[in-house]
Amino acid sequence: QSVLTQPPSVSGALGQRVTISCTGSSSNIGAIYDVHWYQQLPGKAPKLLIYGNDNRPSGVPDRFSGSKSGTAASLAITGLQGEDEAQYYCQSYDRTLSAWVFGGGTKVTVL
Amino acid sequence: QVQLVESGGGVVQPGKSLRLACVTSGFTFTTYGMHWVRQAPGKGPEWVAVISNDGRNKYYADSVKGRFTISRDKSDNAVYLEMTSLRPEDSAMYFCAKPSSFGSIVPEWFDTWGQGTLVTVSS
Repeated sequence: QSVLTQPPSVSGALGQRVTISCTGSSSNIGAIYDVHWYQQLPGKAPKLLIYGNDNRPSGVPDRFSGSKSGTAASLAITGLQGEDEAQYYCQSYDRTLSAWVFGGGTKVTVL
Repeated sequence: QVQLVESGGGVVQPGKSLRLACVTSGFTFTTYGMHWVRQAPGKGPEWVAVISNDGRNKYYADSVKGRFTISRDKSDNAVYLEMTSLRPEDSAMYFCAKPSSFGSIVPEWFDTWGQGTLVTVSS
C-alpha cells in the first residue's frame, strides 16, 4: 500500500478532460511539501510531467496541469490524446518517514 | 544531455548480494546528490536511498536500512547500490534518479531517470 493514494484507473474519450487525484496526509502533502507528477509509458522509466504542484518542464504540453489543496493534489489532462495512455504517479516527501513517497499509480485509458 | 545508465541487475538467490551501478553524464556529477528508486512489477515506485553530492550523507528507506549501502565515485561519475541479504520482496526494476536541485539533500523531485536494471530474487 502506497503512502499517497490514487485511483487505479480513469478513462475518457479523445478530446475530453480527465483528472487524477492524489490523497496524502498532514505529514506529506498537507505539510509544506510539494507534489510532483510523472508519466510512465509501458517498459519505460517515469518521466517528469509536473513539478512543484503546478509547473510544467519544458516540452510538456500545456494540456497537462496540476494543483494542490490541503492534503490532496490533482493532475488534469485536457484535450485527451491517444499518446496520453500511460501510468501516472504522484510524488511528495513525508516528514514522518523521512522519505520520498509515491502514489500507487493511475492508468489512463483513452476510449 | 543528462544520461543515467544502470547495470548490474540479474537473478539472485535469497540471502545473496548484488551490486548495482549507475554511470552518469551530461551534468556536473559532484554538485548533485543521487537517488535509487525501485519499482516492483505492477506497483508504484518506491524510494530506496539517497547520497549527498560529497558522499558524506546517506539516507535509506526503512525497508532496506541495514542491508543496502549507497556510495559514489567521482572519478567514474557513478553511483552504486550494494545490496546484501536480498529477499524476494526486493525484486524490482531499480532506477537511479537525479534530483532537481544541486547542493544539499532536500525534498524535491526527480528530473531525470535511467532506464533501470532488473533485479529478481528467487531460489
